Amino acid sequence: ETGVTQSPTHLIKTRGQQVTLRCSSQSGHNTVSWYQQALGQGPQFIFQYYREEENGRGNFPPRFSGLQFPNYSSELNVNALELDDSALYLCASSFIDVYGYTFGSGTRLTVV
Amino acid sequence: AQTVTQSQPEMSVQEAETVTLSCTYDTSESDYYLFWYKQPPSRQMILVIRQEAYKQQNATENRFSVNFQKAAKSFSLKISDSQLGDAAMYFCAYRSRTGANSKLTFGKGITLSVRP
Repeated sequence: ETGVTQSPTHLIKTRGQQVTLRCSSQSGHNTVSWYQQALGQGPQFIFQYYREEENGRGNFPPRFSGLQFPNYSSELNVNALELDDSALYLCASSFIDVYGYTFGSGTRLTVV
Repeated sequence: AQTVTQSQPEMSVQEAETVTLSCTYDTSESDYYLFWYKQPPSRQMILVIRQEAYKQQNATENRFSVNFQKAAKSFSLKISDSQLGDAAMYFCAYRSRTGANSKLTFGKGITLSVRP
C-alpha cells in the first residue's frame, strides 16, 4: 500500500495570486482532509471531502476551496493569497468510519 | 467546540530516561478519540498512540503509553527509554466519535529534545 504524497514540497507566491496544492491519498481511502499549520502551531482543520463531496469545514473563508477525484487524489485551492496564508499545508487520508489517518509531508507555502 | 491544550512548549530528556508530555482537553461529548502525533523535521505527522474514550484501560505501544483521566480531561504521553530518534514535535489531538466529520483538533504542540 502507498502512503500520502503531496506536491509541490515548497512554493513561493505573491500576495493576490492563486495557488493549487495537490495530494495523492493512500489507496482505498475514501476521505481526505486538509490542514493548515502555521509556524510553531498545531494544524488547523480546513475541510474534509468524502466521496468527492465536502462534508465538513473549519473556520476558513470561501477563498479556500477543494476538490476530491475518483482516483483518490485531491486539490486545495486558495484564491487571493494573503501574507497570513503562509504555512505548511497537510493532507490526511482515511476511511470515513475508521479513526486512522495517514498524513503527507505537506506543502510549505510562502506568500510574499 | 472542543479545545486541546498543551501548556509546555518545550521539554528535554536524557537518552534512556523517561519523560511525560502533558495534554488537557475540553469537550461536552462522552464518546471520542484522543491521539498523540509525532512530527519530525521531515514534517510528516506520524501516529504514536491512540485512545478510545470508552475504554478505561490506558493504551500502550512499545515504549509509549498514556495516562488517560477522563473525568479530569487529561491525556498525557509517557515515553520510556528515550531515544535520539524521539526528538520531534509532539501534538495531542481530539476527534469526536459522532457525526461524519472526522476532523482532528490539535494542541499547539511540544518540542521534545533528547540529550545524548
